[in-house]
Amino acid sequence: AQSVTQLDSQVPVFEEAPVELRCNYSSSVSVYLFWYVQYPNQGLQLLLKYLSGSTLVKSINGFEAEFNKSQTSFHLRKPSVHISDTAEYFCAVSEGGGSQGNLIFGKGTKLSVKP
Amino acid sequence: DADVTQTPRNRITKTGKRIMLECSQTKGHDRMYWYRQDPGLGLRLIYYSFDVKDINKGEISDGYSVSRQAQAKFSLSLESAIPNQTALYFCATSDRGRGYTFGSGTRLTVV
Repeated sequence: AQSVTQLDSQVPVFEEAPVELRCNYSSSVSVYLFWYVQYPNQGLQLLLKYLSGSTLVKSINGFEAEFNKSQTSFHLRKPSVHISDTAEYFCAVSEGGGSQGNLIFGKGTKLSVKP
Repeated sequence: DADVTQTPRNRITKTGKRIMLECSQTKGHDRMYWYRQDPGLGLRLIYYSFDVKDINKGEISDGYSVSRQAQAKFSLSLESAIPNQTALYFCATSDRGRGYTFGSGTRLTVV
């Protein structure tokens, strides 16, 4: 069975500092990997995803994540955060190849950006 | 209109009442899901359906039931609501696991 571990439940940082939100997964098959963001009192938005190809994927607002198969990780990074990045971030995994697998979520990391 | 629409957006109900949460989609996806979100626990899968005739239990199905009325409609029922079912509920659709579209959520409070 697949599982996702987000190693930090809360990450406080100052504005313009770099940030890394860690995500590790376990799976015996190939995977698709996702990061979702949830702003306060809102629904889930897809931030970025890895399906295949280049292991480095990027979002339109400056986040990036790298799929590392050997370390079973998909950490999310941003070189300089803004106040508006304050949100909860969820890492998720599903089985690749169009299989019957479902999307499994980590418990989330709350990013708090302080001025 | 949103691709995945959930109704109601908010609901307060009493312990023991039956309640139905509805979800409809315009994505044309066969796969539909119901998740619940609790603080500190992330999203957990309640039920999922890969087509109209295929319904499967997820991680936390006890106390819930579902109905797939059509490809575009997937409803979640709480037969006898209890306070620990107070949560934020999300419906989602999937394009064969390559992409997932979520509704805006239903905030359910059981008093």
